Amino acid sequence: DIQMTQSPSSLSASVGDRLTISCRASQSITSYLNWYQQKSGKAPKLLIYGASTLQSGVPSRFSGSGSGTDFTLTISELQPEDFATYYCQQTYSTPAFTFGGGTKVEI
Amino acid sequence: QVQLVQSGAEVKKPWASVRISCKASGYTFARYRMHWVRQAPGQGLEWMGIFNPSDNSTSLAQKFQGRATLTWDTSTSTVVLTLSSLRSDDTAMYYCARVDGLVYAVFDYWGQGTLVIVSS
Repeated sequence: DIQMTQSPSSLSASVGDRLTISCRASQSITSYLNWYQQKSGKAPKLLIYGASTLQSGVPSRFSGSGSGTDFTLTISELQPEDFATYYCQQTYSTPAFTFGGGTKVEI
Repeated sequence: QVQLVQSGAEVKKPWASVRISCKASGYTFARYRMHWVRQAPGQGLEWMGIFNPSDNSTSLAQKFQGRATLTWDTSTSTVVLTLSSLRSDDTAMYYCARVDGLVYAVFDYWGQGTLVIVSS
C-alpha cells in the first residue's frame, strides 16, 4: 500500500494566519490526492480533490497544490471555523485509498 | 438527498463479533462503490475495505482479511461490515463512505459513524 505522511501532526495558529500543511506519498500518485477536514465528533468533509480542485461550496481561502509525491494544503486566512483536523488521502492505488495521519489545527 | 445511515453503537466483549450496517438512500445504490473507514479514539483514519456493487465484489485491507467480511442487500440498499474476533484495539468509530468521481475518486458522502467499544 502507498503510505501517506503528513506534517506537522499538530500546530497552533491564530485567526487570520496563513497556514500550510504538507503531505508526502511513498511513491508517485500524480494528482490523485484529496484533502478532508474533520471536526470533533463528525465525519470528514471533502475540501479538495485532484490535488488542487476545490469541492463545491468550500471557501476559496482553501487551496491545494502539488503533484507526484509532495502536496500542500494552504488556508490563506484562518477563520474560527477552520480549527479542525485535516487529512490527505491518495486515490491513485485502488482500491486501498489510504489516508495521512492527520494534522490538528489548534488555537 | 443522499444519505448513509448507519446502525447504532455497540459494546462487545473481546473475541465477539460485531455487525455494522450502512443503509443508502437518495441515489441509485448499484452505481456507487462503498468504502469503510475506521478511526480509533484520538487517532487518524484507517481504510478498511470496499464493496463494488457493479460486480458485487469486495476487497479488504490486508490487516482485516480473515477477520472482516462485507455483505450487501441490494433490495434494501444496505452494506454490512462484520468484524470478528474483536480486540480492544478494534474500539473505534466505523464509517461507511460513498465514492464518486469519474477521474478523481472522492468520498463525497459519509455515514454518521458507528461507535464500537470492545471491553471485558
